[in-house]
Amino acid sequence: EAQVTQNPRYLITVTGKKLTVTCSQNMNHEYMSWYRQDPGLGLRQIYYSMNVEVTDKGDVPEGYKVSRKEKRNFPLILESPSPNQTSLYFCASSLAWTSGYSYEQYFGPGTRLTVT
Amino acid sequence: GIQVEQSPPDLILQEGANSTLRCNFSDSVNNLQWFHQNPWGQLINLFYIPSGTKQNGRLSATTVATERYSLLYISSSQTTDSGVYFCAVERFGNEKLTFGTGTRLTIIP
Repeated sequence: EAQVTQNPRYLITVTGKKLTVTCSQNMNHEYMSWYRQDPGLGLRQIYYSMNVEVTDKGDVPEGYKVSRKEKRNFPLILESPSPNQTSLYFCASSLAWTSGYSYEQYFGPGTRLTVT
Repeated sequence: GIQVEQSPPDLILQEGANSTLRCNFSDSVNNLQWFHQNPWGQLINLFYIPSGTKQNGRLSATTVATERYSLLYISSSQTTDSGVYFCAVERFGNEKLTFGTGTRLTIIP
């Protein structure tokens, strides 16, 4: 089954404790991205990756890191989480990204993160 | 950056009713998509529609790019249509989608 998986689905942690949210897709997609969803703000892109070893900042990259060492995986790293990073996080992937042409975006199930 | 506004923010309808959701954007775009987030949080792509009209069953969408808006029509609403509907746009030259704040639709049996 074609899918994007995220782990963990729920996480409660404390300020400053490094964490990683994993994202994996089994569709051989080139483009992957991370979003956070907050009430009243919709989804905002954190980072995206056009292909292996190619990553770039989205709209809200501060406090996050990513890496793309393999095509299928795109982990999101919070080196020193803070309470304002409490949010619902989504990973997404698509076959590619060509400006002006849409490839269907597949979203993971989401990770609800609480930082106390 | 580009601004994406959706209206109304909330909509409560009886099962069987029709609805129109609107998305306005502040700049020229070459990509516009509609998504549905179900009550369990899952995001599903509904339409890719940078211009023109498309239909898929009870759902249809129209984008008037020159006037910078898009409409999503839902006919004969069902309870399974409940959730949040987002439009997202790509401005020319950007490699990402910018999402609106969504319309929360609640269908009452």
